[in-house]
Amino acid sequence: SQQGEEDPQALSIQEGENATMNCSYKTSINNLQWYRQNSGRGLVHLILIRSNEREKHSGRLRVTLDTSKKSSSLLITASRAADTASYFCATESGGSYIPTFGRGTSLIVHP
Amino acid sequence: NAGVMQNPRHLVRRRGQEARLRCSPMKGHSHVYWYRQLPEEGLKFMVYLQKENIIDESGMPKERFSAEFPKEGPSILRIQQVVRGDSAAYFCASSPPGRGGQGEQFFGPGTRLTVL
Repeated sequence: SQQGEEDPQALSIQEGENATMNCSYKTSINNLQWYRQNSGRGLVHLILIRSNEREKHSGRLRVTLDTSKKSSSLLITASRAADTASYFCATESGGSYIPTFGRGTSLIVHP
Repeated sequence: NAGVMQNPRHLVRRRGQEARLRCSPMKGHSHVYWYRQLPEEGLKFMVYLQKENIIDESGMPKERFSAEFPKEGPSILRIQQVVRGDSAAYFCASSPPGRGGQGEQFFGPGTRLTVL
């Protein structure tokens, strides 16, 4: 079964609005990462948050992590049409060095 | 510094043929990972290799699939006697030595395999 599950599966917004995606996971983690995938392309790493961190920022991205609820959120502020992509969370747990990916959230930003 | 390169980008095979997918990691990277992605799905881990060694192949089917990362040259994912269910996008990722897979992986553009 998937370790990380993103919610919602799909999100459609207007340019300028904020987009929030959530990721829930089942077991304790070492870190959680968010990736973006444009259609027909490989994944691009966005941000990594460690289990002892609660919030991280990178440009228009804000990631939070709540280990008590086993969940993370990715907020994209002031969205642009170019943000249209699928967004995946990936978790690393225990001694595993292999990230486990969720099914992703498909984000469409309308110009 | 070129990123992770994969070729071919698209590969069409008939059932029963062999598929060879190649991955050249980023310069200086010695860890290579292969993933498979079905439409509307996330990435499923297949195999993790370092130069000349398979570290973890727990996600790779036991039959028909093999992977290698020779001392010289790209990593190869080989699928023998392909079936329609092998149709998917196959992604390669790499990471620097000493990171052991912890943290950021750098992904290639993928090879889209279609089995007719």
